[in-house]
Amino acid sequence: GAVVSQHPSWVICKSGTSVKIECRSLDFQATTMFWYRQFPKQSLMLMATSNEGSKATYEQGVEKDKFLINHASLTLSTLTVTSAHPEDSSFYICSASWQGNSPLHFGNGTRLTVT
Amino acid sequence: GENVEQHPSTLSVQEGDSAVIKCTYSDSASNYFPWYKQELGKRPQLIIDIRSNVGEKKDQRIAVTLNKTAKHFSLHITETQPEDSAVYFCAARYGNKLVFGAGTILRVKS
Repeated sequence: GAVVSQHPSWVICKSGTSVKIECRSLDFQATTMFWYRQFPKQSLMLMATSNEGSKATYEQGVEKDKFLINHASLTLSTLTVTSAHPEDSSFYICSASWQGNSPLHFGNGTRLTVT
Repeated sequence: GENVEQHPSTLSVQEGDSAVIKCTYSDSASNYFPWYKQELGKRPQLIIDIRSNVGEKKDQRIAVTLNKTAKHFSLHITETQPEDSAVYFCAARYGNKLVFGAGTILRVKS
C-alpha cells in the first residue's frame, strides 16, 4: 500500500520553456502532498506543501510564480517549472502520506535537465 | 527554527561491523523521526521510524533509539553487508512536514 507514482522520470528541456511533473497517490487519497528538490550529493529540501483544493504553501526562498503547484484532486498534484533555467536542473521528488500521522512515501522522482 | 543535524557525513565500515549514525533536532514538539535509505538515482526508501512515545525500536539488523531530553536519535545497523552501502537520511516532523538531515554516505567494505 501507499504507492506514490511520479511522471516523467526524466525530462530534458530548453532554457525558457516550462515543464510539468505529475505526482499521483495510487492506492490512497492524499489531501496533502509535498514537493522536494535534491541537488547532487545534497539532502532533500522541501519546496512546498500542496494542499488539495487550496493554495500551496511555499518554503522560504522558493518562488511561487516559478514553481506552480496544482492539487486539483485527492490523488493528483502537479508541479510546473516555468521559464526553466539551467540552475533549475535537479531531482524533483514528490511525497505523500495516507493520513497526517502516517509515514511519508516518495515518488520515483523526476530528473530535470535544462539545457 | 526547523533544523536537523546529522553526523557523520561519511562512514566506512568493514563488512560485519556495526554502523551508527546520529541526528539532533531543534524543536521539542517534534514527535516523529523516520530514517530513509537512498541508493544512487533512486527515491528515498523508509527503513525504520520511531515516535516520541517510544525510546527504541528494532527491525532485524536495524534499530533506532530516541533521547527526547537531549533531542537526538540514532540509527544502528548491525552485521553490515555490502548492500547496506547507500546514503542514509534522518528526518524530523515539524507540524505536518518532514525536515531532513544532510545525509550520511555509508560504505561497507567487503
